Amino acid sequence: RKEVEQDPGPFNVPEGATVAFNCTYSNSASQSFFWYRQDCRKEPKLLMSVYSSGNEDGRFTAQLNRASQYISLLIRDSKLSDSATYLCVVITGGSYIPTFGRGTSLIVHP
Amino acid sequence: DAGVTQSPTHLIKTRGQQVTLRCSPKSGHDTVSWYQQALGQGPQFIFQYYEEEERQRGNFPDRFSGHQFPNYSSELNVNALLLGDSALYLCASSQTPGRIDTQYFGPGTRLTVL
Repeated sequence: RKEVEQDPGPFNVPEGATVAFNCTYSNSASQSFFWYRQDCRKEPKLLMSVYSSGNEDGRFTAQLNRASQYISLLIRDSKLSDSATYLCVVITGGSYIPTFGRGTSLIVHP
Repeated sequence: DAGVTQSPTHLIKTRGQQVTLRCSPKSGHDTVSWYQQALGQGPQFIFQYYEEEERQRGNFPDRFSGHQFPNYSSELNVNALLLGDSALYLCASSQTPGRIDTQYFGPGTRLTVL
């Protein structure tokens, strides 16, 4: 089983839709969690950190479920510009080595 | 304020050759990490340099080596290239080794091994 797993998609949604992605991790000692966004043929950029109590940044909400070992990203009122690949990142223990998922592709259409 | 820069942008090599990729960190950053991103996959951590020493290493063979200079810039060297080394190589810099939330990626070097 891979350390970090994501459904590659693509998720194809209309503008204005709400869409959610999950990312599961296998190591219960995982401590830090992040979501990155990567546009086609561009570098990844940090979207948001994921805190234990859940956190929101505008239309984006990130949640952590330690019991089931997954993190989620919810995007409300999708925009065309949200079309990208969303990568989850997990850091386990004190290693500071980030493990990336393969990413979930989102396509928002008019 | 210049972000993370990498050179070259693209590179074509043949099997068995050696390659050196270069990275200049964002101003104010002293830690450089290197990643390999194969097509359709997420970035895989290769290693991290801080204070001119390799601090962390991912699951990559010794053919992958690096260096960090006093001005914090870094090089990634890959020896005895294999077809499977074809990928986008990303450099990322951060303020300190543990602060991934301050990590910025460069645009990457696309390496093709024929």
